[in-house]
Amino acid sequence: GAGVSQSPSNKVTEKGKDVELRCDPISGHTALYWYRQSLGQGLEFLIYFQGNSAPDKSGLPSDRFSAERTGGSVSTLTIQRTQQEDSAVYLCASSLGGELERLAGGPRGTDTQYFGPGTRLTVL
Amino acid sequence: QKEVEQNSGPLSVPEGAIASLNCTYSDRVSQSFFWYRQYSGKSPELIMSIYSNGDKEDGRFTAQLNKASQYVSLLIRDSQPSDSATYLCAVNFRAGNNRKLIWGLGTSLAVNP
Repeated sequence: GAGVSQSPSNKVTEKGKDVELRCDPISGHTALYWYRQSLGQGLEFLIYFQGNSAPDKSGLPSDRFSAERTGGSVSTLTIQRTQQEDSAVYLCASSLGGELERLAGGPRGTDTQYFGPGTRLTVL
Repeated sequence: QKEVEQNSGPLSVPEGAIASLNCTYSDRVSQSFFWYRQYSGKSPELIMSIYSNGDKEDGRFTAQLNKASQYVSLLIRDSQPSDSATYLCAVNFRAGNNRKLIWGLGTSLAVNP
């Protein structure tokens, strides 16, 4: 079946412009995650959506960053007034999610995250 | 502070040897543990997940979990040059319905022909 898809694969923008990055999770996955990874660095958590619950935005680095998830599926990460330090690979991941975990009586694969190919953002 | 720690490496092993990657975590109530592999310029891909104490084997890979000592390891037998990558350890720290994984910074593995 189809995995997590992201678009665009590459984005070059000028400082101060807004950008939108898109993530299409695996069908049926209720949890969706956004991460950022700078060159040679670890994964930096940004935001997490679980079903219809309020998203966990604790990782967003500033108010220039926002994300939404429409209809419990596709998600868009928006960066306003981009800065050079925003240059990184933005990764999206999805997992089956917490609802199925409760039915299963505990995490047995429902919290396994599957990653998309990422969007490489370069801010000039 | 919930943390996942890994030796950054690089860990260098000869082809055919066993590579041993270790990960320690700070929270005793964690339930889910994952090893991901990330090739340079690519996104992480799942290698193994483990939920119970003991060993779990999948081909050349064995994950070992010891909750009492709060560590999880990954053994790669008969290491191949294609195993050269960064290996990420991730732990699910339960907090209500939150399924957010905490990630280590990764261990770089180089398998030398």
